[in-house]
Amino acid sequence: EVQLLESGGVLVQPGESLRLSCAASGFTFSNYAMSWVRQAPGQAPDWVSAISGSGGTTYYADSVKGRFTISRDNSKNTLYVQMNSLRVEDTAVYYCATSEEIRGGGHYGMDVWGQGTTVTVS
Amino acid sequence: QAVLTQPSSLSASPGASASLTCTLRSDINVGTCWIYWYQQKPGSPPQYLLRYKSDSENQQGSGVPSRFSGSKDASANAGILLISGLQSEDEADYYCLIWHSAWVFGGGTKLTVL
Repeated sequence: EVQLLESGGVLVQPGESLRLSCAASGFTFSNYAMSWVRQAPGQAPDWVSAISGSGGTTYYADSVKGRFTISRDNSKNTLYVQMNSLRVEDTAVYYCATSEEIRGGGHYGMDVWGQGTTVTVS
Repeated sequence: QAVLTQPSSLSASPGASASLTCTLRSDINVGTCWIYWYQQKPGSPPQYLLRYKSDSENQQGSGVPSRFSGSKDASANAGILLISGLQSEDEADYYCLIWHSAWVFGGGTKLTVL
């Protein structure tokens, strides 16, 4: 069974940094692209970042470009996002999710989602 | 104008069918897009339902009932999620998603089954 377990969400002050982790199990981690998606209370999901299965290609939403860095350790089956210069508007539940890679490049949309970890910037 | 526009709410009766629309901004051609659909119930993460590009290019999410299906309305430049045989458990928020230089979610439709 595919399982994704996010951790690292806490209350921080604006301008501070935080690293979230997502531990994956039940599938061949390196064969899948991974995404971070956040959701503020009462709002639609908001895609943050994605990374290819090899880790060689990364993608970012304009709202986090230059502040957030996505990475993965395929030997540990773990996805990360380093979040710097946090803002009040970054407050949300952060989910990690799998994405099937497309032969030739890119990936499909998010498939399996974790339960999320809450980041509060205040 | 938003990239994706969904009606904020929709009501339908048990046993009936519900058609949820996701309208793409006019400069984006729905015919070239994969449209993804997600269901979210309170306190839970979004659940992947399906992706649809055409009748020959589509994928049902694992374990998702065939009552959920996708289509497009090219004249309206919209993706459609059709839910047939509505059940009370289908009451949820539904979101569409496309890739347009970044992954973009629609604002969601709250489906009430009553």
